[in-house]
Amino acid sequence: ILNVEQSPQSLHVQEGDSTNFTCSFPSSNFYALHWYRWETAKSPEALFVMTLNGDEKKKGRISATLNTKEGYSYLYIKGSQPEDSATYLCAFMGPSAQGGSEKLVFGKGTKLTVNP
Amino acid sequence: DVKVTQSSRYLVKRTGEKVFLECVQDMDHENMFWYRQDPGLGLRLIYFSYDVKMKEKGDIPEGYSVSREKKERFSLILESASTNQTSMYLCASCPAGLRAGYTFGSGTRLTVV
Repeated sequence: ILNVEQSPQSLHVQEGDSTNFTCSFPSSNFYALHWYRWETAKSPEALFVMTLNGDEKKKGRISATLNTKEGYSYLYIKGSQPEDSATYLCAFMGPSAQGGSEKLVFGKGTKLTVNP
Repeated sequence: DVKVTQSSRYLVKRTGEKVFLECVQDMDHENMFWYRQDPGLGLRLIYFSYDVKMKEKGDIPEGYSVSREKKERFSLILESASTNQTSMYLCASCPAGLRAGYTFGSGTRLTVV
């Protein structure tokens, strides 16, 4: 089973702080890297799908970068707001170990709490 | 608004019961997935399907089966529910290809007593 590591596990910041999280994944056989936001009592929501080394994506105050050669991605939140409080999941897509179709392997997430 | 709908938000079943969790998507997506989420373990893939009547085992298929008779519907079956299957179950779908994010349902919290 592929290993996708996220750090930190949890993070508490004050409103207005900028923050970032890390996702580490296998650097070989890379297909895609996904980021999701999962708010309590809601469904996980796709933020970014990144497929090329050096990709940078942005959505409002949230951005992500990708380094497939060294196997990491960063998610940045600029000027955190209380509504940014959620668990942020990254997921790696590579070839299936069993020779079947590709599928996502999720990290355990970073839980962000933004205090007003 | 595109949707993945899971039939139940909360479910309580007895040990040994056969349990059906239903998932329907209205986006004409080829791929559908069943995950379970447990504290400290993250989302783990149980089964997925990339076409009608096609299925592949995920990382933790033991104790589960699936059915996909129609493109929009993907059912997860617990043949004989056990207490270690108490969990949050999430269904997701996505179109074919590598560039699409998954759309998730709101989850079913299953308790087996």
